[in-house]
Amino acid sequence: GQQVQQSPTSLVLQEGENAELQCNFSTSLNSMQWFYQRPGGSLISVFYNPSGTKQSGRLTSTTVIKERRSSLHISSSQITDSGTYLCAINYNVLYFGSGTKLTVEP
Amino acid sequence: GALVYQYPRRTICKSGTSMRMECQAVGFQATSVAWYRQSPQKTFELIALSTVNSAIKYEQNFTQEKFPISHPNLSFSSMTVLNAYLEDRGLYLCGVGTGGTEVFFGKGTRLTVV
Repeated sequence: GQQVQQSPTSLVLQEGENAELQCNFSTSLNSMQWFYQRPGGSLISVFYNPSGTKQSGRLTSTTVIKERRSSLHISSSQITDSGTYLCAINYNVLYFGSGTKLTVEP
Repeated sequence: GALVYQYPRRTICKSGTSMRMECQAVGFQATSVAWYRQSPQKTFELIALSTVNSAIKYEQNFTQEKFPISHPNLSFSSMTVLNAYLEDRGLYLCGVGTGGTEVFFGKGTRLTVV
């Protein structure tokens, strides 16, 4: 499969702090998506981001295809942001990274 | 909007038995369905990709003999885990493509093998 590396593996924040999650991939691709996985397991699509910068509320995704990287920025983190964030690259089918487990503490 | 339903949400099967799970797209037509497994402490492994009018393509370490998939129409796919053992436990997700590149997921079927 295609190589997708995410960093950091885990991250602990105090409520209100910002987070920067990274995703690097080893091949050119069609597009990529960021997902949030709830503790129960279900996946929620956070961003579908072929390239450039997208913002939704406190979340911002920046993808630079040429440099084979994408980042997810979470500003003013909240306890409810806790969970696992996964990036996936689309190379005719989605290939997932191993995720970043985010814990936001009060 | 695009909705993907998976059934059952949870299931328990005895070691050596088989279990079938379903994936239903609602509100759109699925041109491709990919099945994934997330084992405990692991990331998502791609099992197979099923594209309408094409042969189902299985990833390395997964076979049709173990994970037969049916994709009879544009809105439905099913996968069976045959002869399930402990290493088959985990969360099985289907990801549905519409011909564009965004993929929509169901909530998964969690398989426990006892």
